[in-house]
Order: sequence, then structure tokens, then C-alpha cells
Amino acid sequence: DAKTTQPPSMDCAEGRAANLPCNHSTISGNEYVYWYRQIHSQGPQYIIHGLKNNETNEMASLIITEDRKSSTLILPHATLRDTAVYYCIVRVGWTSGTYKYIFGTGTRLKVLA
Amino acid sequence: DVKVTQSSRYLVKRTGEKVFLECVQDMDHENMFWYRQDPGLGLRLIYFSYDVKMKEKGDIPEGYSVSREKKERFSLILESASTNQTSMYLCASFDRGGSYEQYFGPGTRLTVT
Repeated sequence: DAKTTQPPSMDCAEGRAANLPCNHSTISGNEYVYWYRQIHSQGPQYIIHGLKNNETNEMASLIITEDRKSSTLILPHATLRDTAVYYCIVRVGWTSGTYKYIFGTGTRLKVLA
Repeated sequence: DVKVTQSSRYLVKRTGEKVFLECVQDMDHENMFWYRQDPGLGLRLIYFSYDVKMKEKGDIPEGYSVSREKKERFSLILESASTNQTSMYLCASFDRGGSYEQYFGPGTRLTVT
């Protein structure tokens, strides 16, 4: 199974862009990259996902390198409410026609006032 | 608004007790998952179910069993709780259509004494 590697923690100033890196060098061609975040005492929440192309939604942008071995989640204007643990995940095909999510250990992002 | 609910937020049980953790989703999803979350280890898959009465072992099924008698409900059972099963337990579900986004419940923090 593909694995993801993330830095354990990062700080970011409020209002600045937060760039969270993820390494997934063993990813296969049809495996998607997902990003979730987990605010203290809650379940993880979906942010964004992608396969090859860069993606953007109202929450964030996802930049995937051309060789797909790494990606970066960008929160364009971080706020204090973005303080959370961010998980980079690879979705792999699995038994019974479903998918399995391989979670990394996450990056604890602290947004500083 | 989609919802995954878990029966308890906090639970304290004694070693050797049989423990039931319940998860209910209101989105008519076929796929449901149980994870445990431990510091430094991220989320690890215990079991998943892809349909009523159907189940597959995840990465760490030892000491656990599951039950799915109705589509909306997925139960995790600790047959004889042990202290090393003290953890945060997270339930998730997704549908095969769309983005395959997993929706997580708020988690149950189980302490076995």
C-alpha cells in the first residue's frame, strides 16, 4: 500500500498562506490523494482530493507534482480556526470493489495571531 | 446535512468486559468503516462493511468483531476489553458514487481500566 509522509508540525501566521507538504512516493497511477483535517475532539473532515491535476475549492488548493510523488495543500489565508491536524491520505483500490484510505500521521498546524 | 453519529463520546469499561460501540449514518451509504486513532500512529482501519451482513478485516482486526444487520448501523464489538484497546474509535461511511468522500462521526474515546 502507498504510504504518506508529513512533517509532524508547522506554524503559520494568521492571514498568510499555509503550505502543507506530503510525500507519497509509492503511489500508483490510479490512486487518489485526499486531504482531511481534524479539529480537536471532532472526527476528520474532508478538504479536497485529486489524481493528477491541481485542484481548488472554497477551502483550499491541492498541488500535485507531475510525477505524483508529492503534493502540497495550500490554505490561502489561514485563520485561527484552521488550527488542526491535517492528514494526507492515499485512496487505494481494495477488496469487494471498495476503497481503502491509507492515513499518514498528520501535520499539526498552528495558526498564530 | 449528512450525519454519522456514534453512541457515546466517552466510555469507561473494565478489563474483560464486552463492549459495544454503535455507529449510525443517515446517508444510505453502503460502505462503513471502523478506525482507531492513537497518538503517533494516525488512523488505522479495524474493519469495514460494504453491505448489510458483509464485512472485511482491516489492518488491525485482532480483538474486535463487527455486526451490520441494517444498512444504516455498524457496530464494533470488543469481546473482552483489554487495556491496550484504550483509544479513540472513529466510524466513517461513504457512497460509491461521487467523490468517495468519507464522512466521519465525532469519535468515541474508550478507556479500559
